[in-house]
Amino acid sequence: ELKVEQNPLFLSMQEGKNYTIYCNYSTTSDRLYWYRQDPGKSLESLFVLLSNGAVKQEGRLMASLDTKARLSTLHITAAVHDLSATYFCAPEGFQKLVFGTGTRLLVSP
Amino acid sequence: GAGVSQTPSNKVTEKGKYVELRCDPISGHTALYWYRQSLGQGPEFLIYFQGTGAADDSGLPNDRFFAVRPEGSVSTLKIQRTERGDSAVYLCASSTEHYSYNEQFFGPGTRLTVL
Repeated sequence: ELKVEQNPLFLSMQEGKNYTIYCNYSTTSDRLYWYRQDPGKSLESLFVLLSNGAVKQEGRLMASLDTKARLSTLHITAAVHDLSATYFCAPEGFQKLVFGTGTRLLVSP
Repeated sequence: GAGVSQTPSNKVTEKGKYVELRCDPISGHTALYWYRQSLGQGPEFLIYFQGTGAADDSGLPNDRFFAVRPEGSVSTLKIQRTERGDSAVYLCASSTEHYSYNEQFFGPGTRLTVL
């Protein structure tokens, strides 16, 4: 059974700082997705990582995938308040996505 | 283009009642998924349709839960004899299920409250 662990679960950071969110998963998966969720809203797709070594960047966010280590990272560069949200990683297991518990990010001035 | 839509956005019902939740996927998407999200948790898989058939219903918690997609587009999630523990946000997602990736696009969800 595919299990997903994200850490940290909660991250409070100041604007302008850098930080990394980690996503570990328990069994082989070659595809992993990152989503963002604002309070009371649905999930917005951020990144699709399809192979070992994949790296994607969009604005201040960069995601990477190491399938051998079963690890994905989401790196935040020079955080701004607009990035405050909950971030979920979701490796794919037999067509369905298995979500972590999420990392709640709060960026303050 | 239009995204995934779900109705109703909110549903309040009493314990023991029957409810139906509807999902309209993105036009042309062959795969449709239902997930359930409890407060403070990530979405949890319930069922996946490829076309009209349920390809994987392993996430349905018990036989009170049932879903259909009769024409391969709109899907309805049906919950019988609702219990307070069924209260959650029910999310629907759809994808094109390209052979090399399966990016799922989520609807706004239906918040179900069972009193």
